[in-house]
Amino acid sequence: AQSVAQPEDQVNVAEGNPLTVKCTYSVSGNPYLFWYVQYPNRGLQFLLKYITGDNLVKGSYGFEAEFNKSQTSFHLKKPSALVSDSALYFCAVRREDSNYQLIWGAGTKLIIKP
Amino acid sequence: NAGVTQTPKFQVLKTGQSMTLQCAQDMNHNSMYWYRQDPGMGLRLIYYSASEGTTDKGEVPNGYNVSRLNKREFSLRLESAAPSQTSVYFCASSERTSTDTQYFGPGTRLTVL
Repeated sequence: AQSVAQPEDQVNVAEGNPLTVKCTYSVSGNPYLFWYVQYPNRGLQFLLKYITGDNLVKGSYGFEAEFNKSQTSFHLKKPSALVSDSALYFCAVRREDSNYQLIWGAGTKLIIKP
Repeated sequence: NAGVTQTPKFQVLKTGQSMTLQCAQDMNHNSMYWYRQDPGMGLRLIYYSASEGTTDKGEVPNGYNVSRLNKREFSLRLESAAPSQTSVYFCASSERTSTDTQYFGPGTRLTVL
C-alpha cells in the first residue's frame, strides 16, 4: 500500500543549529515527493518537490531535501535554523493511481528555540 | 492578486444543519481541491476538480457534495452536518495535476455541535 510516514511528532532545535525533519515513503514505482509548511492559523505553503533528477532538491527559505531511493526517504534539512522556521511540516507523495491525489504524512511540529 | 480565498473563516453548526463553504482562486488554475485537516492525521482529500465541469471523489467524500461553478470557484456543501465533520477545511488549486504546486486558502474552522 502507498504511504508516507513522518516518524517524529515534534522536533526541537536550537537556533543556528542544523535541522532535519524526517519522511519515509512506500510506493512501488518512482515517487513524486513534496514538502509543505504550515504556519499557525494559515494554509499550507509549498517548499520543494522531487520529481526526477538530482537527489538533492533546493527549495524556499533555505530548505533542501535529499531523496534516497534505497532508504525510501526524503528528509527535509536546513543548515542553520531560524526561530521563524517554527511551524508544522508535511511530507506528501503522489498516489500512483491518480494524477490529482497526494498522500500526506501526519505532520511534524518543528520548534526552534532562541 | 489574492490567490485562494475561502469563506467563512469560522462557523459553528448544530447537528443536522447544512452549509456551503466557498472557495475562489484568481490564478487561472485548472484544478481545485477540498481537504480536511484533523489533528495527527495530516490532510485528507474530500473532493477534487481536475477542470471546469468535472468533479471526483477523494479519500473521504461521504457526507459532502461539491460544485465547480466555473473555473474560479469550487464550493463544498455539507447537507446534514455531523459532529464527525468538525475539522479545518482547506481549499487548494494547482495549474493542472497534483505534481504542480498546490496553493492553499487560509482555511475554514468548522465546529458541529
